[in-house]
Parts: sequence; structure tokens; C-alpha cells
Amino acid sequence: QQQVKQSPQSLIVQKGGISIINCAYENTAFDYFPWYQQFPGKGPALLIAIRPDVSEKKEGRFTISFNKSAKQFSLHIMDSQPGDSATYFCAASKGDSGAGSYQLTFGKGTKLSVIP
Amino acid sequence: EPEVTQTPSHQVTQMGQEVILRCVPISNHLYFYWYRQILGQKVEFLVSFYNNEISEKSEIFDDQFSVERPDGSNFTLKIRSTKLEDSAMYFCASNRVGNEQYFGPGTRLTVT
Repeated sequence: QQQVKQSPQSLIVQKGGISIINCAYENTAFDYFPWYQQFPGKGPALLIAIRPDVSEKKEGRFTISFNKSAKQFSLHIMDSQPGDSATYFCAASKGDSGAGSYQLTFGKGTKLSVIP
Repeated sequence: EPEVTQTPSHQVTQMGQEVILRCVPISNHLYFYWYRQILGQKVEFLVSFYNNEISEKSEIFDDQFSVERPDGSNFTLKIRSTKLEDSAMYFCASNRVGNEQYFGPGTRLTVT
């Protein structure tokens, strides 16, 4: 019920190409879906996030697509650059609703390599 | 830009020893968390802390773990008697009201 399933595990994309990473969730109580970018030896950095009331959110080269009925969401990186090479994690959380927590449930991560 | 800080960056300890990992969350944040990441695996939730008490904890967070906010700025994770399987990166995170959660750079804990 709490799982977030992420695919693919690894992805190799040529510079300038589009990187697409997919996630699926089970718990319909989740109402916030962020993507984090992590470089080796660093902490996860919030990249972009979406709520279920919209189907798409775009920030620069990064776009989240959200399909509420399918319980799926994806990250698209347009014009991928070598500097985008990192591990990307999708995550999900629900609102506080008195629980005193916005704990995140993470997917297993996708290692993206952008080759020149 | 405010950020979450953590110390030390790397801690090596012997099995059975106590360790304390320290975090300074972003100053106006209200919710505090510890997560861990075993090498090459996903980030896992350990515990959340709100209004000076534990609000949620995972099954990983057993009696060997404790958290404390001893003053207005620090947030600590204590492992009483470390095991080999506690070796991981430990991340502190915080947020204000709302979901945007910011992570620190992590402490790499190595238990030998």
C-alpha cells in the first residue's frame, strides 16, 4: 500500500535527448509527488513536485506528467545535458492531517547517464 | 539560501558503540525527519518529529534509536548500540507547513 514503484533502474540518454522516468503508486491518500535529484555523496535535492489536481507541471527543462486514474506520474527531462547525470528519485507523501508528519515514501531510484 | 546542515560528514564506529548524529534544520521549519539510505538503495523514512515529540516512526526505528531536539536549533539521532547493518547514509530533512521537504548533505555512518 505504501510502495512507490520506479522504472527504469538505469537510463542512458544522448546529449540533447529526452529522459523519461516513470513511477506508480498504490496509496490513494498520497497527494504530493516530488522528484529529487541526487549526486554521488550528496543529499537528495528537491527538483520539482506536483499535486493531483493538475496533470502536468513544467519548470524549465523538467516536466512532471500526472495520471490520477492510473496512479502514475513521470519525469521528463528535455534537452538532457551531461550535468543532468545523477540518480533521480520519485516520492510521494500525504498531507499532515493531524499526524504531524509529511513523511516521504521513495521509489528505488533511476541512475541517469547523459552521454555527450 | 537557508539549508539543512549535518555533522559529522563521516562517522566510523565499532559495533556496540553509541553514536549521535547531529542536524541543524532550516530555522523557521516546524517538521523534522531522519531518513537513511543504504549504499545503492532507496531512501527510507525513519522518524518524524513535530511539536517536540515523535509524530511517526517506521519499523526500522526500534528501541535502539532515539531523537531529540535539545535546543531551538539542533536535532539529533542517537543509535544506542550500533550494528553492522546500521551502516548507511543518514539524512536529516525539514519542512515548514506543507510538503516541500529539504534534505541535508548526510552523515555516512560506517560500523566496523
